[in-house]
Amino acid sequence: QVQLVESGGGVVQPGRSLRLSCAASGFSFSSYDMYWVRQAPGKGLEWVAVIWYDGSNKHYADSVKGRFTISRDNSKNTLYLQMNSLRAEDTAVYYCARDRGRPNNWFDSWGQGMMVTVSS
Amino acid sequence: EIVMTQSPATLSVSPGERATLSCRASQSVSSNLAWYQQKPGHTPRLLIYGASTRATGIPARFAGSGSGTEFTLTISSLQSEDFAVYYCQQYHNWPPLTFGGGTKVEIK
Repeated sequence: QVQLVESGGGVVQPGRSLRLSCAASGFSFSSYDMYWVRQAPGKGLEWVAVIWYDGSNKHYADSVKGRFTISRDNSKNTLYLQMNSLRAEDTAVYYCARDRGRPNNWFDSWGQGMMVTVSS
Repeated sequence: EIVMTQSPATLSVSPGERATLSCRASQSVSSNLAWYQQKPGHTPRLLIYGASTRATGIPARFAGSGSGTEFTLTISSLQSEDFAVYYCQQYHNWPPLTFGGGTKVEIK
């Protein structure tokens, strides 16, 4: 079955960097666009970024544009999120997620989530 | 950006009763709308896509309807496991993909 397992979260000071990873298994990773979605404590869901199945295209939420970079290594079945210049408002659980294939951009599989806390 | 607005923010319902949740889009999203359920401490779970198609394994008591800008998720007879937060998400015109703020269904 589809499995998405995030890692790399933790507590980081404002202005510092962190990289999240998402290891995928149980499906043909290189055939799917992949996403990061986050959820601040007690808040709703916020789409963060998407990367096309072959890495050829990437899009970001305005709130993270210029600071976060999504990437993938299809040889390792792994998705990444490099987060630079972190702010307190980036504190959230970060989920990696898979859609059903364009134009079916709903999320049918989610990772368990990884907490990122930005605090001095 | 398409803004998704859910109402009410909190819905108090007794077990066995019907729950009706609303989601409104700031512009038409056709039928490109999904619903998710999230329980505390858990990952979101896909319920509905295409505004009205139940995802695999979702019980028939969950029904989605609507198109354009007005959507409804109806839970026909609430079970104890249905008390959760529900989110709608549009995928018609993006980026950005956008979610509603959520409706919490709580026990009355």
